[in-house]
Amino acid sequence: DVKVTQSSRYLVKRTGEKVFLECVQDMDHENMFWYRQDPGLGLRLIYFSYDVKMKEKGDIPEGYSVSREKKERFSLILESASTNQTSMYLCASLRATNEKLFFGSGTQLSVL
Amino acid sequence: GEDVEQSLFLSVREGDSSVINCTYTDSSSTYLYWYKQEPGAGLQLLTYIFSNMDMKQDQRLTVLLNKKDKHLSLRIADTQTGDSAIYFCAENLYNQGGKLIFGQGTELSVKP
Repeated sequence: DVKVTQSSRYLVKRTGEKVFLECVQDMDHENMFWYRQDPGLGLRLIYFSYDVKMKEKGDIPEGYSVSREKKERFSLILESASTNQTSMYLCASLRATNEKLFFGSGTQLSVL
Repeated sequence: GEDVEQSLFLSVREGDSSVINCTYTDSSSTYLYWYKQEPGAGLQLLTYIFSNMDMKQDQRLTVLLNKKDKHLSLRIADTQTGDSAIYFCAENLYNQGGKLIFGQGTELSVKP
């Protein structure tokens, strides 16, 4: 079974800190995604990547960047964390465009 | 732009049927998905329907698709307390690399 692993389940950071959220998938999927989940807003796409070193902005990229140096790993970076970035962050991967999306368990980030 | 809408809450009694509704805007979607999120967990794919189908049945789950009205529904027969969760509808934007757009999620509460 496909496994998508997010490095932290809970994270607490201070305003202004640089934050790295890591995601690793073990099924050689080309496509990887970062979503944030907020109550009443559903999942909103931050960034996605089709392949190594490729990235595309999603719907809410402001305040975030990403890195995909290896196929299995997709990192989300908050250059200077702010309180409005407190949220649940979900990573997902997909083998091909018409197949199902596999999700990690999520990282609940609190920015104080 | 693309948009997926769901009602936020649904409450049913154990043993009744639940119907969760969703509307979407992008007619180029090839697949439409239902994901389930249990408390404290990531999203798991529950079922999906290809856009050229009207109905798909999978045990207690029935998915109905009305392409003309861009309306998707998920019916859960004989709803159990273990079905209490948040249910997300999502459309696959085939012409955007398989990007999924999610609804806000419907919180299903099953009362004994």
